[in-house]
Amino acid sequence: AQSVAQPEDQVNVAEGNPLTVKCTYSVSGNPYLFWYVQYPNRGLQFLLKYITGDNLVKGSYGFEAEFNKSQTSFHLKKPSALVSDSALYFCAVRDTENTPLVFGKGTRLSVIA
Amino acid sequence: EAQVTQNPRYLITVTGKKLTVTCSQNMNHEYMSWYRQDPGLGLRQIYYSMNVEVTDKGDVPEGYKVSRKEKRNFPLILESPSPNQTSLYFCASSPEGHHYTEAFFGQGTRLTVV
Repeated sequence: AQSVAQPEDQVNVAEGNPLTVKCTYSVSGNPYLFWYVQYPNRGLQFLLKYITGDNLVKGSYGFEAEFNKSQTSFHLKKPSALVSDSALYFCAVRDTENTPLVFGKGTRLSVIA
Repeated sequence: EAQVTQNPRYLITVTGKKLTVTCSQNMNHEYMSWYRQDPGLGLRQIYYSMNVEVTDKGDVPEGYKVSRKEKRNFPLILESPSPNQTSLYFCASSPEGHHYTEAFFGQGTRLTVV
């Protein structure tokens, strides 16, 4: 069965510092990996995805993620955090067309000015 | 504007009173799904539909029904709501080839069952 782990419930970072939000996954086949962000009172918004190809994926708002097959990880990163990045971040994985998209429990990012 | 629209945004109801949460998308997407979001549990899929008249159970389907009579609409039905269905609900849609394409989410429906 597919699963996603986001080991940190909360990540705090100072504005201007780099940020990392961790995600590890488990699938039986090749993974399709996604990051979504949820701002207060809003639905989830797509940030980026890994399907195949380059292990470093660039997405919206300056975010990027690195796919590491040996460590089964897909950590979200940004070189310089903004206060407006404060939100709830979800990692998600699917391995085939007929399996549901499985979400992690979410990591709340707080960027402090 | 491409969007997924859910209604209502907020709903308080009593145990046992049937309710429907509507979901409509204007992107001609084949795939639609419903999730519930609970603190510490992330999002869990309730039901999904790969096309008109095709629906299937997700991870937590008990107590819910869905229908897909038209491509754009995918209502979620709670025939006899219970307090453990108090949650934040999201509808999402994706185009064909949904397993590698991103999903578009509605704004959410916060349901309270008392």
